[in-house]
Order: sequence, then C-alpha cells, then structure tokens
Amino acid sequence: AQSVTQPDIHITVSEGASLELRCNYSYGATPYLFWYVQSPGQGLQLLLKYFSGDTLVQGIKGFEAEFKRSQSSFNLRKPSVHWSDAAEYFCAVGLGNAGNMLTFGGGTRLMVKP
Amino acid sequence: GAVVSQHPSRVICKSGTSVKIECRSLDFQATTMFWYRQFPKQSLMLMATSNEGSKATYEQGVEKDKFLINHASLTLSTLTVTSAHPEDSSFYICSARPGTVTYNEQFFGPGTRLTVL
Repeated sequence: AQSVTQPDIHITVSEGASLELRCNYSYGATPYLFWYVQSPGQGLQLLLKYFSGDTLVQGIKGFEAEFKRSQSSFNLRKPSVHWSDAAEYFCAVGLGNAGNMLTFGGGTRLMVKP
Repeated sequence: GAVVSQHPSRVICKSGTSVKIECRSLDFQATTMFWYRQFPKQSLMLMATSNEGSKATYEQGVEKDKFLINHASLTLSTLTVTSAHPEDSSFYICSARPGTVTYNEQFFGPGTRLTVL
C-alpha cells in the first residue's frame, strides 16, 4: 500500500532563512504528488503539485518542490521564510482516478521565529 | 480558488446523540466530495468518497452505518455521526472537486470540530 512519510514533526526556522520540508513516499509507480498548507481554523490550501515532466515544480507563495525518483522524495523548499508561513504542511500522494484519492503524510508544523 | 464551506465549525454534543455536518461548494458544482477525519496533531485520514447521486464509498475500517454520508446535490454533502461517542471526537474536514475523470483540484473546507461529552 502507498504511504507518505514526513520525518520532521516540528521545524523552527528564523524569518528570512531558507526552508526545506522533507517528504518520502512509498508507491510502486510514479504517483501524483502534492504539498498542502493548513493554517489554524482554515482549510487545506494547495501549494503545488507534480504529475510529470520537469521535476522541479513552482508553487504559490514562493514555494517549490523537487521530485527525485531515485530517493522517492518530494521535498518542499522556500529560499526565504516569512512569519506568515508558520503553519502545518502536508505532503500527499494522489492515486486512483488521475490522482484524486489523496493519502497524506503526518504533517510538519513550521514555526518561524523573528 | 473555489470556496468550500462547512457548518457548523464547532459542535459539542452528548454521548448517544447524532450530529450532522454540512459541506457546501459555494461557487462550483462538486461532482465528488471527500470526507476526512483528523485527530489532534495527526494527519488527515480519508473516510469516504461520495459522488453526487450515488452511495458513498467508505474506506476500510470506517463504519458506514455510523458515519452516514449524503450527497444529494452538486453543492451539498452531509456527514451524520450517529449515536456519537467520545471516541468520535475529532476534526472533520470535507473537500470537493468538480470533475470525475481528469484531475481536478480538491478544495477543502475549514473543518468542523466535534466534541462528544
């Protein structure tokens, strides 16, 4: 069965510092891959997705992610973190009909210190 | 992006009662809606998938008689937690998407926090 692992439960970075959130997946084929952000009291918002093609994908809010097949990873990055980026981040694998059935990782809570 | 609302945002009920949670797509027609459950500091777990006009498909381990899902229109799905017990306390999140075949982004509601006393 497919699974998604986010090794870091909590990460704290200083404002302006770079960020990398790790995501590893287990699946027999190349899955559809997603990163979502969840702010308190709000629904999940899609940051970016990978289906095929260029392995470096750009998303909203200055985020990007790189798909590395050899490492079964899809890490999320941002060159300079803003205080408003503090939130919970979820990596997800999409299966089924065009990737519509989502399996989420455990999430990484990002805290930003001034 | 498209907007999905949930009502209520919070609900507290007594053990043994039933609670209904509504999920609405406000500016698009949702052919498919998903219901997730999120325990504190844990990830979202898919409970069921519902297509408008069809019976919901439940994930393994989810009791369909306890979690009743109705998707009677293209803009509304409801989740009813029947005979709720304290272990049903959780954060319930719905999502909706417009298509069925090709990829369409799922838009998530803000969630409903259920507390069963």
